[in-house]
Amino acid sequence: GAGVSQSPSNKVTEKGKDVELRCDPISGHTALYWYRQSLGQGLEFLIYFQGNSAPDKSGLPSDRFSAERTGGSVSTLTIQRTQQEDSAVYLCASSPRDRAWHGYTFGSGTRLTVV
Amino acid sequence: AQTVTQSQPEMSVQEAETVTLSCTYDTSESDYYLFWYKQPPSRQMILVIRQEAYKQQNATENRFSVNFQKAAKSFSLKISDSQLGDAAMYFCAYRSAYDFGNEKLTFGTGTRLTIIP
Repeated sequence: GAGVSQSPSNKVTEKGKDVELRCDPISGHTALYWYRQSLGQGLEFLIYFQGNSAPDKSGLPSDRFSAERTGGSVSTLTIQRTQQEDSAVYLCASSPRDRAWHGYTFGSGTRLTVV
Repeated sequence: AQTVTQSQPEMSVQEAETVTLSCTYDTSESDYYLFWYKQPPSRQMILVIRQEAYKQQNATENRFSVNFQKAAKSFSLKISDSQLGDAAMYFCAYRSAYDFGNEKLTFGTGTRLTIIP
């Protein structure tokens, strides 16, 4: 597609439920990133996928968070047993491997509200 | 680990005036990239300008320019002739130039810029 697409745009869920957030990167971009932006905070790195390499999961805050990327394209971030502190905007970005210095292209994010 | 600091949580400027947003960073690396991103209310992060550390010349993009001071580890953004559409959160970000295992961007906490008509 022309840009990075994220769905849903907004999600309200009850505490304890599981949620799945989807990211569809720009076609041909081998690198995909998930970041979390809490209210009034900067962007917190969560996880990074690069081609067929093992993902860098060093930013995942707990084992309730997981992500996968199927076929080197679409990625799903899953949060199990959601807590109120998980409320944030979850941003996805992608970049081409050989031009990564150009920076990322971001999606518009998913605003997650846990009630 | 690298850190990025934006010490101005909020800034305001009169329309058509010039404003400078501050950013400092800490790194032991000699080669890296620096970025300024803009985040309007739509939430989508938009790349404003980028700088390569080994280039001494400051980057410019139309009304946007940077003052890159490598020794001081400072990377400020100057917006000239401010327009109402410039109102947004601005984030400074750092990326290592050494690819393997360092591809992620490290962001500052942002500066909210308000344009006064």
